[in-house]
Amino acid sequence: GNSVTQMEGPVTLSEEAFLTINCTYTATGYPSLFWYVQYPGEGLQLLLKATKADDKGSNKGFEATYRKETTSFHLEKGSVQVSDSAVYFCALRKYGNKLVFGAGTILRVKS
Amino acid sequence: DVKVTQSSRYLVKRTGEKVFLECVQDMDHENMFWYRQDPGLGLRLIYFSYDVKMKEKGDIPEGYSVSREKKERFSLILESASTNQTSMYLCASTQTSGNTIYFGEGSWLTVV
Repeated sequence: GNSVTQMEGPVTLSEEAFLTINCTYTATGYPSLFWYVQYPGEGLQLLLKATKADDKGSNKGFEATYRKETTSFHLEKGSVQVSDSAVYFCALRKYGNKLVFGAGTILRVKS
Repeated sequence: DVKVTQSSRYLVKRTGEKVFLECVQDMDHENMFWYRQDPGLGLRLIYFSYDVKMKEKGDIPEGYSVSREKKERFSLILESASTNQTSMYLCASTQTSGNTIYFGEGSWLTVV
């Protein structure tokens, strides 16, 4: 079946540190891949996406590359800010627009 | 801007009560979804609807039902609330072409 595995958190970093949140997936076919972010007290917002192998999604300094050979979609940012503190969800889209989510990774950035 | 509105942000209900969670979207989207979010489990799909009066079970439909009488509104119903349904509930919508899926702000439900 389809599933998404994310690294467990919480991840605690100092401001300006490099961020990597690992995400791997299992799927039949070639799903679209997404990163969503949830700030405290809010719903989910789309952060970035990639629809085919080797695509790179990017937004707000975050990047992730769709790697078919390793079935991965790791999220990276070169220099995190306190305002990036949130929960990050990796997801894949199945047929019918249904999303399958990972468990989420809490990111805490200290000043 | 697309808006997905969940009318109740915080609810406290008693065991056995019937609970309605309402979701309205303003972009004429065909597809609508209900997820529940629990720590360590991420989001899990409860029900979804491809269009008006159409509904299909997701991964965890037990204890829930839904109603889609109008295109813009998708309701989640807990017929008899139980404590294990204490959770955050998120509504989402998208066009059938599914370019971007938009989420509401969530409804925190506590069943006591």
